Amino acid sequence: NAGVTQTPKFQVLKTGQSMTLQCAQDMNHNSMYWYRQDPGMGLRLIYYSASEGTTDKGEVPNGYNVSRLNKREFSLRLESAAPSQTSVYFCASGTGTHSGNTIYFGEGSWLTVV
Amino acid sequence: AQSVTQLDSHVSVSEGTPVLLRCNYSSSYSPSLFWYVQHPNKGLQLLLKYTSAATLVKGINGFEAEFKKSETSFHLTKPSAHMSDAAEYFCVRDNYGQNFVFGPGTRLSVLP
Repeated sequence: NAGVTQTPKFQVLKTGQSMTLQCAQDMNHNSMYWYRQDPGMGLRLIYYSASEGTTDKGEVPNGYNVSRLNKREFSLRLESAAPSQTSVYFCASGTGTHSGNTIYFGEGSWLTVV
Repeated sequence: AQSVTQLDSHVSVSEGTPVLLRCNYSSSYSPSLFWYVQHPNKGLQLLLKYTSAATLVKGINGFEAEFKKSETSFHLTKPSAHMSDAAEYFCVRDNYGQNFVFGPGTRLSVLP
């Protein structure tokens, strides 16, 4: 019962480097999400995908791109990392975009940009 | 945009005493509401959710929350705190069914 799996769990990047965070879910969920968590700010939505083939910006999309590769996978890319992107990143999946939708989270990816 | 307010950034209780974590939401419509718990360096686990059925919702580990539309509140309670309850708690609402909005979190400390 893997649920939502994110990789890598830890990563250190230099300013300007690029990287992709991978996320996969095995619950056959339609919706997938990427959040970032910063102290005192809760979780803020970066991008989400309501269904395979669609993506939408969330609250803090600048500096990120996403790809919904298929129903299972939703990746987050940092093209040119900045220290302000140091954060914990959480991928989540949910049953759909309707009332009653519940989301389930991965274990998180700790990213440090130096 | 919809919003969630958690009135306390930190709550400290003694083991065996009641827990109250407060949450208020913005009220353009009656949302789905959730409480999630996050233990240190872990992901978020669903405690309970409200989706317009019974206003008193029971969750895991003895937690419950009451939806009060007149007060736009969804406070989380537990009759008796346990050491293992020490964690960060997030109140969450849906955003027109499209995605989810998180409160800033409340850190619960449980003293022996």
